Amino acid sequence: AQSVTQPDIHITVSEGASLELRCNYSYGATPYLFWYVQSPGQGLQLLLKYFSGDTLVQGIKGFEAEFKRSQSSFNLRKPSVHWSDAAEYFCAVVASGGYNKLIFGAGTRLAVHP
Amino acid sequence: GAGVSQSPSNKVTEKGKDVELRCDPISGHTALYWYRQSLGQGLEFLIYFQGNSAPDKSGLPSDRFSAERTGGSVSTLTIQRTQQEDSAVYLCASSLDLGNQPQHFGDGTRLSIL
Repeated sequence: AQSVTQPDIHITVSEGASLELRCNYSYGATPYLFWYVQSPGQGLQLLLKYFSGDTLVQGIKGFEAEFKRSQSSFNLRKPSVHWSDAAEYFCAVVASGGYNKLIFGAGTRLAVHP
Repeated sequence: GAGVSQSPSNKVTEKGKDVELRCDPISGHTALYWYRQSLGQGLEFLIYFQGNSAPDKSGLPSDRFSAERTGGSVSTLTIQRTQQEDSAVYLCASSLDLGNQPQHFGDGTRLSIL
């Protein structure tokens, strides 16, 4: 069965520092991968997606992610974090079965220190 | 509308009561999904609709849960005889179709069972 692992439950960085959030997936075929962000009391906002092609994908708010098939990873990065990036981040993969069911990781809560 | 709209945003009810949660997807989106977000279980897929049809109900936690969609638009998720373990945030998402299009989420309904 497909699964997504986000090894870090909480991460704290200083404003202006670089950020990398880890995501590993288990999937037999080529995965469709997503990163979503959730601010308190809000729904999930799509940051970026990978379907095929270039393994480095750019998203909104200055985020990017790199798909590495050999490592079954899809890590999210940002070169310089802003205080407004404090939120919870979810990695997700589309399950097989043809109906676009998303399987989410447990999430990583990001805190940003001034 | 511009985004996925869910109502109510918050619902507090007594154990044993029935509740109805509403989702209004983005106009033109044929696929609609319900997820549940709870502390213990993270983000879980519940059910999806393609048009008015829900081919797979296996993600619903129990037979107290049901969902319907009429006119290919608004969907309601109904929980009968609510239990305390039903307390969670219920998220709705929609996408253009089932072809691995990105899902766009509403802000959710926070359900609290006393």
